[in-house]
Amino acid sequence: DSGVTQTPKHLITATGQRVTLRCSPRSGDLSVYWYQQSLDQGLQFLIQYYNGEERAKGNILERFSAQQFPDLHSELNLSSLELGDSALYFCASSPRVGNTEAFFGQGTRLTVV
Amino acid sequence: GEDVEQSLFLSVREGDSSVINCTYTDSSSTYLYWYKQEPGAGLQLLTYIFSNMDMKQDQRLTVLLNKKDKHLSLRIADTQTGDSAIYFCADWYNNNDMRFGAGTRLTVKP
Repeated sequence: DSGVTQTPKHLITATGQRVTLRCSPRSGDLSVYWYQQSLDQGLQFLIQYYNGEERAKGNILERFSAQQFPDLHSELNLSSLELGDSALYFCASSPRVGNTEAFFGQGTRLTVV
Repeated sequence: GEDVEQSLFLSVREGDSSVINCTYTDSSSTYLYWYKQEPGAGLQLLTYIFSNMDMKQDQRLTVLLNKKDKHLSLRIADTQTGDSAIYFCADWYNNNDMRFGAGTRLTVKP
């Protein structure tokens, strides 16, 4: 158990819908990262938050957004969903901005039908 | 081409050593990681090495880093069936991004 909790574990939704994925980092970790893992794209970095502020952006679509709350949990919002958004979405956390050790959650498997 | 590359498949017999190789392109990478992903599970951090180190050993795992050739390897001694998984190499660079290879699927045959 990495200490990073993601909910829900599975999500099935229709095209055009919006979903919110939730991540609770390990206790004491200030940095949260979101990744997308799909068969054709592999593991892609989406976005990073540190202590409530957006720190870095990767290959995140404009239809996607994220935030980190004062209690340090984070949410990833995916809107206007398309079939190609079906993937595993991972959250990871680390104590600092510099990523010496990032621990991953179990992931949320999103299926868009 | 990809910034972090790995071969996709490796098959070994139980009890043998496994060596999973990875190459990366960015010489400014500060940390390099190995993650393990079992079916249906998240990524588990196995070990990491700082870029000024050549080798790191942790029980059955040995990480070798050749910074000149930008080559990283993970050796698993006495490989067991429970080691069957996908192993991802990743580098941390620019102080804000972690890039992953495509993953090497290790199959351990009894």
